[in-house]
Amino acid sequence: SQQGEEDPQALSIQEGENATMNCSYKTSINNLQWYRQNSGRGLVHLILIRSNEREKHSGRLRVTLDTSKKSSSLLITASRAADTASYFCATLESGGGADGLTFGKGTHLIIQP
Amino acid sequence: DVKVTQSSRYLVKRTGEKVFLECVQDMDHENMFWYRQDPGLGLRLIYFSYDVKMKEKGDIPEGYSVSREKKERFSLILESASTNQTSMYLCASSLRGLGRGARGYEQYFGPGTRLTVT
Repeated sequence: SQQGEEDPQALSIQEGENATMNCSYKTSINNLQWYRQNSGRGLVHLILIRSNEREKHSGRLRVTLDTSKKSSSLLITASRAADTASYFCATLESGGGADGLTFGKGTHLIIQP
Repeated sequence: DVKVTQSSRYLVKRTGEKVFLECVQDMDHENMFWYRQDPGLGLRLIYFSYDVKMKEKGDIPEGYSVSREKKERFSLILESASTNQTSMYLCASSLRGLGRGARGYEQYFGPGTRLTVT
């Protein structure tokens, strides 16, 4: 079943601007991850944030997690043309023994040069 | 670097054929996964395996089976391909956590196999 839902479905901004994508989920989670997918290729892991963390940075990426609202955001600062891709959030539900992630449908980001 | 490879980038098969999709990872990961990706539906988990010869159903296992005879290789089998199985298939692998606090490592994906069933 789909757990993460990204918002917006599509986003187009000018190079140099910041891009913000949001993800909402439904159940308690162990962690939340963000992935990037370039057109027609496999997914690449960007960042993982655990349920007891509120914010995490990696280079130009900033992720926040609000477990009370069951939501996360991914901020890409100073966007570049190479950031054009689809971005997916994925959640690992807490409890149980399985490590399967549940992915959202993705946000398609276009960076205009 | 972790490398996950899939046997084909593009595959065209006929309805009713038996189809094998192969995935190999080179990082000694315990977990391996098969997803399918469809426009508007995102990624959906078909099956995963957390050890050799072990498998668990994901969200959409109907019409598929899997095989994991060696740690590095995870195969997805379409017993009798149908047109509604036309999709992008993605394989992934990850470490397996050793306890509750260590679950959920990042997954490493292969390039995908775009399967068309006619």
